[in-house]
Amino acid sequence: DSGVTQTPKHLITATGQRVTLRCSPRSGDLSVYWYQQSLDQGLQFLIQYYNGEERAKGNILERFSAQQFPDLHSELNLSSLELGDSALYFCASSARGGETYEQYFGPGTRLTVT
Amino acid sequence: QKEVEQDPGPLSVPEGAIVSLNCTYSNSAFQYFMWYRQYSRKGPELLMYTYSSGNKEDGRFTAQVDKSSKYISLFIRDSQPSDSATYLCAMSPYNTDKLIFGTGTRLQVFP
Repeated sequence: DSGVTQTPKHLITATGQRVTLRCSPRSGDLSVYWYQQSLDQGLQFLIQYYNGEERAKGNILERFSAQQFPDLHSELNLSSLELGDSALYFCASSARGGETYEQYFGPGTRLTVT
Repeated sequence: QKEVEQDPGPLSVPEGAIVSLNCTYSNSAFQYFMWYRQYSRKGPELLMYTYSSGNKEDGRFTAQVDKSSKYISLFIRDSQPSDSATYLCAMSPYNTDKLIFGTGTRLQVFP
């Protein structure tokens, strides 16, 4: 158990809908990262937040957005969903301070868009 | 060409074998290198992390980095059926936390 929690585990929704995925980082970690894993693209970095502020952006679609709250949990919002958005979405966290750099992943949310 | 190349396998070995998993990369700015293990439908689990050339050992696992050749390896000694999983290499430049992953190598260790 990495200490990173994600809810829900599974999500099934229809095209055009909007969903919110939630992540709680490990205790004490300030950075949260979101990744998408699909069969054809592998693990792709989407976005990073550090202590409430956006720090880095990857291949994140404009239909997707994220935020990190004062208690450091993060939410990833996916809107106008398309079939191609079906994937595993992972959250990771790291301390991002001192010498600790490793990213620890949560169990993921499996999104199915029908 | 992808920034990180990894042989997808599958790699099938008998229990007790030494396994060698490899990744090559093209971006000379990569400074941090990690290996993750991912069981089916689970989150990636960090196995090894290194930021310099050379070897790093942890139990049955040894990570090797050769920056001059842009090549990293993970060796698993005395492999066990419980090692059967997909192994992902990941790397990052010095000035960003963004991890670039390889596509993963599927390993199967049979009794």
